[in-house]
Amino acid sequence: GQQLNQSPQSMFIQEGEDVSMNCTSSSIFNTWLWYKQDPGEGPVLLIALYKAGELTSNGRLTAQFGITRKDSFLNISASIPSDVGIYFCAGRKPGGQNFVFGPGTRLSVLP
Amino acid sequence: GAVVSQHPSRVICKSGTSVKIECRSLDFQATTMFWYRQFPKQSLMLMATSNEGSKATYEQGVEKDKFLINHASLTLSTLTVTSAHPEDSSFYICSARVSGGVTGANVLTFGAGSRLTVL
Repeated sequence: GQQLNQSPQSMFIQEGEDVSMNCTSSSIFNTWLWYKQDPGEGPVLLIALYKAGELTSNGRLTAQFGITRKDSFLNISASIPSDVGIYFCAGRKPGGQNFVFGPGTRLSVLP
Repeated sequence: GAVVSQHPSRVICKSGTSVKIECRSLDFQATTMFWYRQFPKQSLMLMATSNEGSKATYEQGVEKDKFLINHASLTLSTLTVTSAHPEDSSFYICSARVSGGVTGANVLTFGAGSRLTVL
């Protein structure tokens, strides 16, 4: 069953606004990955997090590994039309081989 | 960076025929690859883990005789959908685990996906 929850499920924002989304779990993870998927394409890695409390940026994107190790956050500043897509979080448990994926947050940017 | 190439990107076939999808790691060796299936507006569902030189590990509910996986080399995994039916129409995506960096931590790199339409 689904082990990761993402919030919000979808969001509509104005161009230029900042965006925040999160990923939560009832289990502890030791790796968090954030991906963006454009329609008809495979997911593309945005940011990887490996330590609790870690804060990592990639351009206008910033992601954080929650201190409890049960959540992660992704922020996008000054959104632009090409930010439109589905954002997935993925986590790997300690000792786990596979990553589990969240259901995604669908982002729409209005001009 | 690590690149995963997936082919074909789109395929249309008749019901009852078989379709093969290839997943290649272009500039690195991948002992483990993963195959996902994605329905419209849904998340990625792991179908199976492909292991080089050994049998694939299938997730619960995935028919191994229908979705044949072969990982004969360190750079190629194939997924064959046998006797395809319209309900098999979906977006199939492969990924490979890429390790590296100081910590040896790994990430998943995805192919561009293959859209299968079964008529």
